[in-house]
Amino acid sequence: EVQLWESGGGLVLPGGSLRLSCAASGFTFSNYAMSWVRQVPGKGLEWVSAITGSGGTTNYIDSVKGRFTISRDNSKNTLFLQMNSLRAEDTAIYFCVKDGLKTSPNYFDYWGQGTLVTVSS
Amino acid sequence: DIVMTQSPDSLTVSLGERATINCKSSQSVLYRSNNKNYLAWYQQKPGQPPKLLIYWASTRESGVPDRFSGSGSGTDFTLTISSLQAEDVAVYYCHQYYSTPLTFGGGTKVEIK
Repeated sequence: EVQLWESGGGLVLPGGSLRLSCAASGFTFSNYAMSWVRQVPGKGLEWVSAITGSGGTTNYIDSVKGRFTISRDNSKNTLFLQMNSLRAEDTAIYFCVKDGLKTSPNYFDYWGQGTLVTVSS
Repeated sequence: DIVMTQSPDSLTVSLGERATINCKSSQSVLYRSNNKNYLAWYQQKPGQPPKLLIYWASTRESGVPDRFSGSGSGTDFTLTISSLQAEDVAVYYCHQYYSTPLTFGGGTKVEIK
């Protein structure tokens, strides 16, 4: 059974940093691209960033380029999102998601439960 | 960026009746070389993460009831629930994975009349 478990969310001051982690199990982690998708509570979904299975290629939405860094440790089956220079508009639930195919980009077949990031003074 | 526009924003349907949700992309998400539409549908119930229902515009994910079906090509797509059940109350999102940034529709809330 595929499981994705996010951690690292919390309350942070504007301009601060957080590092999200996602522990994966139930599939061959290194074979699949992974993404982070966020959702302001009660609002819609926004894709944030993706990384290929090898970690060699990354993509970001424009609003987080230069501030967020996605990475992965395939030896530990873990996905990360380093978030710097956080802004109020980054406040959201952040979901770790697995790509449905080995190529990228594609649809998301498994989602974690999400971790809430709140940027506020 | 490809903009995904869903309609309606909300839908109230009687139990056992058909629910139809539309999704329009600002440019085609049909990849000519493999004739696949890079379009997925998700269901999100309150307090839960989204769940994949449909991919390649019309392929039902394993375990998804056959009352859910997807259709369309190019820029216009439809998710149909043929006979609405109480457990189908949720928000439904379309998603294009043709190009980055990957984008979602704004969501359609389905409720029981």
